[in-house]
Amino acid sequence: QKEVEQDPGPLSVPEGAIVSLNCTYSNSAFQYFMWYRQYSRKGPELLMYTYSSGNKEDGRFTAQVDKSSKYISLFIRDSQPSDSATYLCAMSFNAGGTSYGKLTFGQGTILTVHP
Amino acid sequence: GAVVSQHPSWVICKSGTSVKIECRSLDFQATTMFWYRQFPKQSLMLMATSNEGSKATYEQGVEKDKFLINHASLTLSTLTVTSAHPEDSSFYICSATDRGRAYGYTFGSGTRLTVV
Repeated sequence: QKEVEQDPGPLSVPEGAIVSLNCTYSNSAFQYFMWYRQYSRKGPELLMYTYSSGNKEDGRFTAQVDKSSKYISLFIRDSQPSDSATYLCAMSFNAGGTSYGKLTFGQGTILTVHP
Repeated sequence: GAVVSQHPSWVICKSGTSVKIECRSLDFQATTMFWYRQFPKQSLMLMATSNEGSKATYEQGVEKDKFLINHASLTLSTLTVTSAHPEDSSFYICSATDRGRAYGYTFGSGTRLTVV
């Protein structure tokens, strides 16, 4: 069993739809949870990060963490064609800045938002 | 915001030659650098972690003699793929953190290596 599981999709939605992306994980020691967006042949860019359980909202994006269920989600409201990309969840044991702060990634979900 | 400049963005080399990939942090001190490898439509696989001035720590299954990592300064880390073979063709990405920030992983833009 992989430490982090993410449905690879692909996911295709019409413009304006609400998109829900999810990851489950097995290691309860993970404390920091992140969502990255990666366009083709580019490095990942950070969208959201949360510490421990709870919700965090930033514009059209909402990240949720449920540590009791070992489940995290990213919601995209009013999706746009420019949101078409691969979305990667990632998590770490600590905040980084040390050799122990490495990220464990999910497989990535390929999202296409069509006009 | 924090920026990591990665070069080259793509490179084609002949089998048996070596290729060096550079990552520079432009506006912060990269105390820790992570190097990843990514195959098409797959996630990032961590290859090694390096702290400035120390030897890199390699993940299980990654050949340290083949993938040489140098992190000699707080703004520069390099990955050298030695004696490259076609199976080394992949997308390589670096990521840097700065202990001065509570959180932060800044990724480079990646290097597409093709070995022919």
